[in-house]
Amino acid sequence: GDSVTQMEGPVTLSEEAFLTINCTYTATGYPSLFWYVQYPGEGLQLLLKATKADDKGSNKGFEATYRKETTSFHLEKGSVQVSDSAVYFCALSGDTGFQKLVFGTGTRLLVSP
Amino acid sequence: DAGVIQSPRHEVTEMGQEVTLRCKPISGHDYLFWYRQTMMRGLELLIYFNNNVPIDDSGMPEDRFSAKMPNASFSTLKIQPSEPRDSAVYFCASSLVPRARGYGYTFGSGTRLTIV
Repeated sequence: GDSVTQMEGPVTLSEEAFLTINCTYTATGYPSLFWYVQYPGEGLQLLLKATKADDKGSNKGFEATYRKETTSFHLEKGSVQVSDSAVYFCALSGDTGFQKLVFGTGTRLLVSP
Repeated sequence: DAGVIQSPRHEVTEMGQEVTLRCKPISGHDYLFWYRQTMMRGLELLIYFNNNVPIDDSGMPEDRFSAKMPNASFSTLKIQPSEPRDSAVYFCASSLVPRARGYGYTFGSGTRLTIV
């Protein structure tokens, strides 16, 4: 079945450092890909998405590019802030009809001043 | 739109008691999901509904758990009797089947349940 694999956390960075959180997937066809963010004490929020190969999703300085050839959707940000500290979830949904989201295990990001 | 609304935000209950969690999805959304999040097991899908009908309840851990959606604007997740291992954050999410792909889900803020 479909699955998502994320790098283990926590990822610990200093403010203004470059961020990469790796995400790879296994799915048939052309799934849609998502990154969700969960701030402490809150629910998951959609951060960005991409629906076809080579699409780049972006929001709040975060970017991720849908790479079909490497089945990856890595999350990047050029300069992180303390306020970016959160748990980040990679997810996919299949490309036929309605497919429920398949989530990765989440990666905790801790940014220090 | 007020988003997905869950109540209560926090619940502390004694073991053996019945617990009812509530969810109001976004108006017009066709799908509703119940998730459980723990440190040990991460995010688990318990059950989801389409047009108020349960579609997949394979994630419901045991018969002590039940979920209903009596109408398009309200769903409940009930645990009876509750046990300490049920302590977790429970999320409700809703979604609309789009013409375009990649709509995603909208999550509520969750209910933090503690069974003592």
